[in-house]
Amino acid sequence: GAGVSQSPSNKVTEKGKDVELRCDPISGHTALYWYRQSLGQGLEFLIYFQGNSAPDKSGLPSDRFSAERTGGSVSTLTIQRTQQEDSAVYLCASSLAQTGRTEAFFGQGTRLTVV
Amino acid sequence: GNSVTQMEGPVTLSEEAFLTINCTYTATGYPSLFWYVQYPGEGLQLLLKATKADDKGSNKGFEATYRKETTSFHLEKGSVQVSDSAVYFCALSDRGGRRALTFGSGTRLQVQP
Repeated sequence: GAGVSQSPSNKVTEKGKDVELRCDPISGHTALYWYRQSLGQGLEFLIYFQGNSAPDKSGLPSDRFSAERTGGSVSTLTIQRTQQEDSAVYLCASSLAQTGRTEAFFGQGTRLTVV
Repeated sequence: GNSVTQMEGPVTLSEEAFLTINCTYTATGYPSLFWYVQYPGEGLQLLLKATKADDKGSNKGFEATYRKETTSFHLEKGSVQVSDSAVYFCALSDRGGRRALTFGSGTRLQVQP
């Protein structure tokens, strides 16, 4: 596609429910990242996929959060038993290689509201 | 670990004023440095970058110089426009450590006509 696509753009869910957020990276990009942006805050790193290497999950805030990347392309971020503090904008980005050498392109984000 | 510290906003300027947004960093390796911008209602986009010491990144009249001795990457523009109103994020990618971008907290710039 032309850019990084995320869906849904907005999600309202009840506390305790599970949610899945989807990211379609730019075709051919081997690196994929998930970040979380809380209101008035910077971007918090969640997880990083690079090709077939084991993902860097060091930013996931709890075991309620998980992500997978199927076929080296589409990624899904899953939040189980959502809590109100999970409310944030979840951003996905992709790049041709590690960000030190090439630009990371960001999607528009999914705004998650837990009520 | 890696961290990025940037000045808190909002920064409010009149059109044609000079802009500086300070950014300092700590990194375990030898990072690449970036400025990203988020215009109202839009996604994050790369504004400029520098990959080694003394490099100057520039784009759209904005500049930032990679200063290893002061671990800084301050963003400057000589004459801001209303259209520059946005949130600016300083970031680093540490090739010696975590390769994902580490971001600062963002600085909101408001330019008044």
